[in-house]
Amino acid sequence: NAGVTQTPKFQVLKTGQSMTLQCAQDMNHNSMYWYRQDPGMGLRLIYYSASEGTTDKGEVPNGYNVSRLNKREFSLRLESAAPSQTSVYFCASSEMGQWSYEQYFGPGTRLTVT
Amino acid sequence: GIQVEQSPPDLILQEGANSTLRCNFSDSVNNLQWFHQNPWGQLINLFYIPSGTKQNGRLSATTVATERYSLLYISSSQTTDSGVYFCAVLRGFGNEKLTFGTGTRLTIIP
Repeated sequence: NAGVTQTPKFQVLKTGQSMTLQCAQDMNHNSMYWYRQDPGMGLRLIYYSASEGTTDKGEVPNGYNVSRLNKREFSLRLESAAPSQTSVYFCASSEMGQWSYEQYFGPGTRLTVT
Repeated sequence: GIQVEQSPPDLILQEGANSTLRCNFSDSVNNLQWFHQNPWGQLINLFYIPSGTKQNGRLSATTVATERYSLLYISSSQTTDSGVYFCAVLRGFGNEKLTFGTGTRLTIIP
């Protein structure tokens, strides 16, 4: 099992450019999440998807869109990147099991917007 | 929303020392996880511990849900323990959104 995978690992964008961050999980989880982590801070939820075909806003959704392409894949799109979106982006997945709600994280994408 | 506070914010220890990290949360929770973020940025699951005590090698964790806190114990610290330790909580059934604390940065000196 690869767990949660993310591409790319690093990206540099100019202000106004667009890009899509990709995430996939092979654990057959229903729920997937996108977080951002700014320097010296904890993670903040951008968007999440409780199941295929559904998405919902988290704490900091402005400037982002998401697509739950299928059960495995959940992408995050920046339509017009801004320097304030310079951050490390983490994707995660979980299953609301009877005994566990444990979330598993991907390796992260380090994004710099100049 | 729920508030999650971790203490201390920074901790510098000599290799071989023991440490206790604390996580306080402001409301009842159904999920609490401890993570280690290593110096390369990778988030590693340490414990899923909504209540009770668990041990994994030199690490152990205790959550007292009724008093709204959790403790992470690290014994015989090694330099590879360096990094940031986060606790994260989940409020209730049907709500899977984790809220993270701001972390404790642990530095182990050889």
